[in-house]
Amino acid sequence: GDSVTQMEGPVTLSEEAFLTINCTYTATGYPSLFWYVQYPGEGLQLLLKATKADDKGSNKGFEATYRKETTSFHLEKGSVQVSDSAVYFCALSGRSGGGADGLTFGKGTHLIIQP
Amino acid sequence: KAGVTQTPRYLIKTRGQQVTLSCSPISGHRSVSWYQQTPGQGLQFLFEYFSETQRNKGNFPGRFSGRQFSNSRSEMNVSTLELGDSALYLCASSLSVNSYNEQFFGPGTRLTVL
Repeated sequence: GDSVTQMEGPVTLSEEAFLTINCTYTATGYPSLFWYVQYPGEGLQLLLKATKADDKGSNKGFEATYRKETTSFHLEKGSVQVSDSAVYFCALSGRSGGGADGLTFGKGTHLIIQP
Repeated sequence: KAGVTQTPRYLIKTRGQQVTLSCSPISGHRSVSWYQQTPGQGLQFLFEYFSETQRNKGNFPGRFSGRQFSNSRSEMNVSTLELGDSALYLCASSLSVNSYNEQFFGPGTRLTVL
């Protein structure tokens, strides 16, 4: 079945550092890919998405490119802030064969940004 | 536009009881999905409803059930609660069931089973 693998962390960085959170996936067909962020005590918020190969999703300084050849969707940000501290989830939506499938999530990466 | 709302936000039950959680999707959204989040298993898909029909179900026992009403609001029910059912239950809504439609999540219901 479908699966998503991401580094779990915690990942600790200093403010203004460069961020990369790796995400790789296994899926049949052509999934859509998503990054969600969860702040303490809250639900998940969509950060960005990409629906086909070579698409780049971007939002709030975060970027991720859908790489079909490496089955990856790594999240990057050039300069992180303390307010970026949260748990980040990589997810895919398969919906192969026309059926409805839920999102398949990675385990989540806890990001801690120190001032 | 109001977001996804879930009630109640917190719930404490004892083993053997049953519980019903409620979710109101974003206006105009017809698809509602439910997820269970635990520290050990992470986020796991429970089921999805579209136009009052269950479209897909995750790998959970039959004690977990749900339904969707004509106004797209959804409820999930867990019967004969077990300690392992303690979790954050998240509801998400989307416009339809296409893969490219992002799902918008509610704040969740924190269920504690004693």
